[in-house]
Amino acid sequence: AQSVTQLDSHVSVSEGTPVLLRCNYSSSYSPSLFWYVQHPNKGLQLLLKYTSAATLVKGINGFEAEFKKSETSFHLTKPSAHMSDAAEYFCVVSEQDYGGSQGNLIFGKGTKLSVKP
Amino acid sequence: NAGVTQTPKFQVLKTGQSMTLQCAQDMNHNSMYWYRQDPGMGLRLIYYSASEGTTDKGEVPNGYNVSRLNKREFSLRLESAAPSQTSVYFCASTWGRTEAFFGQGTRLTVV
Repeated sequence: AQSVTQLDSHVSVSEGTPVLLRCNYSSSYSPSLFWYVQHPNKGLQLLLKYTSAATLVKGINGFEAEFKKSETSFHLTKPSAHMSDAAEYFCVVSEQDYGGSQGNLIFGKGTKLSVKP
Repeated sequence: NAGVTQTPKFQVLKTGQSMTLQCAQDMNHNSMYWYRQDPGMGLRLIYYSASEGTTDKGEVPNGYNVSRLNKREFSLRLESAAPSQTSVYFCASTWGRTEAFFGQGTRLTVV
């Protein structure tokens, strides 16, 4: 069975400092992994995705994530935080079963990122 | 393209009332999903439909029913609303292993 653990419920950084949001996953088959961002009272926006191509994935707004199969991790990073990055971030795993059918999408519980001036 | 359209955006129900949340996608996606979002809980899967004519329970199906009316539409029904169903509901769709596209959400309050 698939699952996602976001290791921090809240992360606080200063503007201009690096961001690290941690995500570990569990999956029986070859997973696809995603990071979504949600600004207050808004919908969900895709930041980046991993679907078995390059293990270092670049996304929008300077974010990137590295798929590490040996560590079952997919941590999200950004070299320099901006005030506009303050939001909630969700790590998502999608698993395709042996028959090739689309499995369901499982969300982590989210990490709230605060950015201090 | 409209993407994923959810209606209504807001709803207030009294305990025991019923309602149906509508979702439609125009991207020819096979898979559709209903999630609820509660503070500190992330998005939890209520039901999903891998293809037209099939539906499966997710993590929190109790109190809900779904209908995959055709490839485009996937509705969520609350037969007898309870205060515990106060939440923000999101519909989503995917094709294969690509990312999910989400509707804008329905904010439901049950009093």
